[in-house]
Amino acid sequence: QAGLTQPPSVSTGLRQTATLTCTGNSNNVGYEGAAWLQQHQGHPPKLLFNRNNNRPSGISERFSASRSGSTASLTITGLQPEDEADYYCAAWDRSLSAWVFGGGTKLTVL
Amino acid sequence: EVQLVQSGVEVKKPGESLKISCKASGYSFTDYWIAWVRQMSGEGLEWMGMINPGDSDTRYSPSFRGQVTISADKSISTAYLQWNTLKASDTAMYYCAKHSGGPADWGQGTLVTVSS
Repeated sequence: QAGLTQPPSVSTGLRQTATLTCTGNSNNVGYEGAAWLQQHQGHPPKLLFNRNNNRPSGISERFSASRSGSTASLTITGLQPEDEADYYCAAWDRSLSAWVFGGGTKLTVL
Repeated sequence: EVQLVQSGVEVKKPGESLKISCKASGYSFTDYWIAWVRQMSGEGLEWMGMINPGDSDTRYSPSFRGQVTISADKSISTAYLQWNTLKASDTAMYYCAKHSGGPADWGQGTLVTVSS
């Protein structure tokens, strides 16, 4: 099954900036963009951005999302300890008529 | 406030059947797709499929088509995920999620353990 590619782990320093990537193809990320989710250990995921790059209320402005072609990016500025979590991207795949997730990136704040 | 409340922990034996539920409130149930997502212990998220409660149109991931059945009862704003024959490999946490440009609102999860 075609999925989205995310780096398994990213480590960045406190108060620094982290950029997480999500690579798909023209049938998914390149078609309608990607949503981004955050999951802390033992909790359900939380939506950070929908595929239109809209941020739900309550999500910090330190989080931003963008897309270039078939690669979506999530940028987190001013990293805080509570940002340490797993981050997933998700996109609608028109060839599968299904949503697909990336494998997730574990963000460590040093 | 959108709420998705899932049914409780399940412990089953291989070969048994199971139906878990996801009760929605705080929005118009028939206006948004509801998806089911699997997360095996220590692993990532896997999108299983989704249903449009308004007309019961259903989409499945190729990995899960034929393995599970997704349904909904709009009269009680509840979506379901069903197995006819459970396997040990179905042991996982299962989440339901309301879709709005992506899986936007999530249930608390239902832990399913399948063991002899």
